[in-house]
Amino acid sequence: DAKTTQPPSMDCAEGRAANLPCNHSTISGNEYVYWYRQIHSQGPQYIIHGLKNNETNEMASLIITEDRKSSTLILPHATLRDTAVYYCIVLNYGGSQGNLIFGKGTKLSVKP
Amino acid sequence: DVKVTQSSRYLVKRTGEKVFLECVQDMDHENMFWYRQDPGLGLRLIYFSYDVKMKEKGDIPEGYSVSREKKERFSLILESASTNQTSMYLCASGRYEQYFGPGTRLTVT
Repeated sequence: DAKTTQPPSMDCAEGRAANLPCNHSTISGNEYVYWYRQIHSQGPQYIIHGLKNNETNEMASLIITEDRKSSTLILPHATLRDTAVYYCIVLNYGGSQGNLIFGKGTKLSVKP
Repeated sequence: DVKVTQSSRYLVKRTGEKVFLECVQDMDHENMFWYRQDPGLGLRLIYFSYDVKMKEKGDIPEGYSVSREKKERFSLILESASTNQTSMYLCASGRYEQYFGPGTRLTVT
């Protein structure tokens, strides 16, 4: 699975959009981009995933660049409860039973 | 709502004790996972199971074993607990979209 690079930390004002970048320059054509987050003292939580098209669900939007070398997770109206560590993970479905490799992630602090 | 439950939120055990951590999921998932999380090291996969009675080693299986006798239940066993197994243990079920339990914070003294 391709490696990902994320900034260690980011701040965001409450009510504003939080844009979390992820670099995955070695991603291959059949690898998906997954995002999880972990709120303090809780287990990680699945957010969203995509292959090449932009995706949106009730939690967030995922924008993947055309060359697929990077992506951005967007929380459109961040709240204090979105303060968490956000993990970008690249997954190859073929031959994988789903063992996720979590990097260090981005610690997002949403401030009032 | 998917539910993954773990038997204890906090556990304190002595060195050398046999420790059982239980995980139960209610979504009929075939795949279940055990991770541990330590400061500065992130989440690391210990074992996973893709079917009843099937198991695969993850990245750090030494000192651990697992049991999957029923589809909904996946147990992590520390055969002889040691202080370096003090950690947060997280169970998950699913495959690529994984649902995690609340975690068990185990302290071995």
